[in-house]
Amino acid sequence: LAKTTQPISMDSYEGQEVNITCSHNNIATNDYITWYQQFPSQGPRFIIQGYKTKVTNEVASLFIPADRKSSTLSLPRVSLSDTAVYYCLVGWDMDSNYQLIWGAGTKLIIKP
Amino acid sequence: DTAVSQTPKYLVTQMGNDKSIKCEQNLGHDTMYWYKQDSKKFLKIMFSYNNKELIINETVPNRFSPKSPDKAHLNLHINSLELGDSAVYFCASSLYRDNTGELFFGEGSRLTVL
Repeated sequence: LAKTTQPISMDSYEGQEVNITCSHNNIATNDYITWYQQFPSQGPRFIIQGYKTKVTNEVASLFIPADRKSSTLSLPRVSLSDTAVYYCLVGWDMDSNYQLIWGAGTKLIIKP
Repeated sequence: DTAVSQTPKYLVTQMGNDKSIKCEQNLGHDTMYWYKQDSKKFLKIMFSYNNKELIINETVPNRFSPKSPDKAHLNLHINSLELGDSAVYFCASSLYRDNTGELFFGEGSRLTVL
């Protein structure tokens, strides 16, 4: 059964680094791993995407091990405004049928 | 300029009614989607169109019918609304039809069925 698994919730404090891990055992061979951020009453917003090793942009880093069965979104020095739900999105090959599977989302709460 | 816009933002209606949600994107993308997000925040793809052609049709009741008059528009019509249809519906678009690149989402349309 294709499943993209991530923690339901996490807490952290301003200024800390936050790491959210997503498990995706059956990721499609050629597929990317993408992370989105969603604030209340808004649509999800793209954060970062990667295929392997490490990707960094101005807001986050994405670490992907060699086997690509998991990925870790890293948010450096979080602030209160990083409180949101974070989703990972992965493509799965199921019996030659490609499907995009979203994680259930990780609710991140940043405390002062 | 809003990249992906959907209307209405809020919709409250009675069981059994028929309603539509409209979506337009000005990004020049070929692929558009409808997603449903329930109260537990699960995001589930319903439909995907590529250049006006249906490419993904997940297990969704026949009461839901998407229509794409051109590649910039993807509307969702729902017949005989049921209580379980209450959710936030998101329209999205992307340049490619797989998980390459970025999905651009609208602000969502919150449907409440009474």
